[in-house]
Amino acid sequence: DAGVIQSPRHEVTEMGQEVTLRCKPISGHNSLFWYRQTMMRGLELLIYFNNNVPIDDSGMPEDRFSAKMPNASFSTLKIQPSEPRDSAVYFCASSPRETGGGTDTQYFGPGTRLTVL
Amino acid sequence: AQKITQTQPGMFVQEKEAVTLDCTYDTSDQSYGLFWYKQPSSGEMIFLIYQGSYDEQNATEGRYSLNFQKARKSANLVISASQLGDSAMYFCAMREVRGISGSARQLTFGSGTQLTVLP
Repeated sequence: DAGVIQSPRHEVTEMGQEVTLRCKPISGHNSLFWYRQTMMRGLELLIYFNNNVPIDDSGMPEDRFSAKMPNASFSTLKIQPSEPRDSAVYFCASSPRETGGGTDTQYFGPGTRLTVL
Repeated sequence: AQKITQTQPGMFVQEKEAVTLDCTYDTSDQSYGLFWYKQPSSGEMIFLIYQGSYDEQNATEGRYSLNFQKARKSANLVISASQLGDSAMYFCAMREVRGISGSARQLTFGSGTQLTVLP
């Protein structure tokens, strides 16, 4: 089975430009998470969806960030306008429906390394 | 207070020896899950092992085992017979059970331990 797929793997853009990161979760998983990893702050949850509905977006840094999940197999994270401090690795992860006794393990994509000049 | 604490920024181990990576956590929940992930230099996050708070036995997955001490709130990762390919950053994470039934809960990650296996 394919794992979580993210695109692009690397993105270099200039300050002020719009950036769109894409994620395809593992088929059958009903929860999707967007994380950001930086040296200073480590791994931070930005937002997560359950059954395509945003559940918690308290980690989204500011209004420049937005995320959508139009269907169960696709999600986007958009930054508009981008700033140099947005440079980081952005991970998407998915997990199956929690069954109460299950592990609810999150499986991560390979990440998108974003550089904003 | 930090929810997940990894006190070892870096660790060295000789190839074929065992190594323990420390992790302590803080929660008031009775039901929670503890996870370890490996992040090699290539950057991907690889799930290694899971321990549920109600599990009576320590989790094991191949050369990985989790030394779970609930009263001390620690969940140390033990890697036996270290291999050069084990050199990576290791993250401990916790999932607390909150929110509406059936919804996934977020993971909180520690700061990580960089493990280097020496030949």
